[in-house]
Amino acid sequence: EVQLVESGGGLEQPGRSLRLSCAASEFTFSRYEMSWVRQAPGKGLEWVSYISKTGTIKYYADSVKGRFTISRDNAKKSLFLQMDSLRAEDTAVYYCAREGDFSDFDLWGQGTLVTVSS
Amino acid sequence: EIVLTQSPATLSLSPGERATLSCRASQSVGTFLAWYQHKPGLAPRLLIFDASNRATGIPARFSGSGSGTDFTLTISSLEPEDFAVYYCQQRGDWPPYTFGQGTKLDIK
Repeated sequence: EVQLVESGGGLEQPGRSLRLSCAASEFTFSRYEMSWVRQAPGKGLEWVSYISKTGTIKYYADSVKGRFTISRDNAKKSLFLQMDSLRAEDTAVYYCAREGDFSDFDLWGQGTLVTVSS
Repeated sequence: EIVLTQSPATLSLSPGERATLSCRASQSVGTFLAWYQHKPGLAPRLLIFDASNRATGIPARFSGSGSGTDFTLTISSLEPEDFAVYYCQQRGDWPPYTFGQGTKLDIK
């Protein structure tokens, strides 16, 4: 089955770090640009970060720039999000999403919950 | 940054009725606009890409229209499974990608 599965979420204290992973199945991962998108409790969807097919181009939302780092391992068909200096406002469900041909997100994972609280 | 404004915030309709959801961009995005359906606890689902093209497996009752700054998602006859939150998303000028704030479609 074509799918994305996130992992690595959990409860962490402000200022600490978490690393999220996203495993791709049944499609050629290296052919796709990828993003992370999050949804804070009671809020809408917010794009977090983008990475190109080879990993050479990366973009970040202003809200996470300088604190989060996106990366990928095409050989392992995996996407990552290193989250440092966590803040309470980073509390959200984090989704990895595959970018389609028209810059839409045509495949999403089920999400992993990150809670930042002391 | 392009801001997407969706209206209405909430739409209360009955099964069988027609739903019309609006998404307005603060500047032109061409046709780089997508629509998603999101239900609690599930992954968002792509409905429409490039403003008017249905994604794979999406029923024909869903249609998208518009270009530039004004876009519409229409559900011609609501089925019980269509009650959800709907988001528009642009990539006309990026980064960043931006989403609208969502329209909640609930059962009247």
